Amino acid sequence: GQNIDQPTEMTATEGAIVQINCTYQTSGFNGLFWYQQHAGEAPTFLSYNVLDGLEEKGRFSSFLSRSKGYSYLLLKELQMKDSASYLCAVRDYRDDKIIFGKGTRLHILP
Amino acid sequence: GAVVSQHPSWVICKSGTSVKIECRSLDFQATTMFWYRQFPKQSLMLMATSNEGSKATYEQGVEKDKFLINHASLTLSTLTVTSAHPEDSSFYICSASLLGALGHNEQFFGPGTRLTVL
Repeated sequence: GQNIDQPTEMTATEGAIVQINCTYQTSGFNGLFWYQQHAGEAPTFLSYNVLDGLEEKGRFSSFLSRSKGYSYLLLKELQMKDSASYLCAVRDYRDDKIIFGKGTRLHILP
Repeated sequence: GAVVSQHPSWVICKSGTSVKIECRSLDFQATTMFWYRQFPKQSLMLMATSNEGSKATYEQGVEKDKFLINHASLTLSTLTVTSAHPEDSSFYICSASLLGALGHNEQFFGPGTRLTVL
């Protein structure tokens, strides 16, 4: 099976930097995704990591260490619109399923 | 490109009735479609994996006779919630899988359907 852990909630200040961690355990790892989800809406894709290292995309970066079963999403220059849930998800190569963690609700304070 | 639509976007029904939700890939043919359910303040829970022309594969704990999935074509999958009850009230989201530019199967999510059972 798979087990994905991430903090339930985090709070940060507008303009600051926040790092959301995710640890996972899976026997068929084939990539890790980060999604953003605003209340009442479907998730939107943020990033994908399959190899170790850092992927940077504008204000968002995502890091993966496969040996440690660990990833983080880094958000820079936080804006109020970044208030949302951030979902860490892992894909299994055996059936192509993407399994989601419980999500981290990020609150941005002015 | 890679747009997935769902219909309806929201539905309110009486307890005991059945509700059908459609998921369409508008500009691509999806090898696989997935159905998720999300309760308030919780994450997405995978319900089933749907492949065109074959029976859906349901996750443990999901009743296949209650949540009927039909995948009639490479662009359409439907989820029917039969004899709906208030506890079935949830946000249902589908996704469609496509081999993307990144060289792996990407999942594109529909906008979701909010079901409220009275």
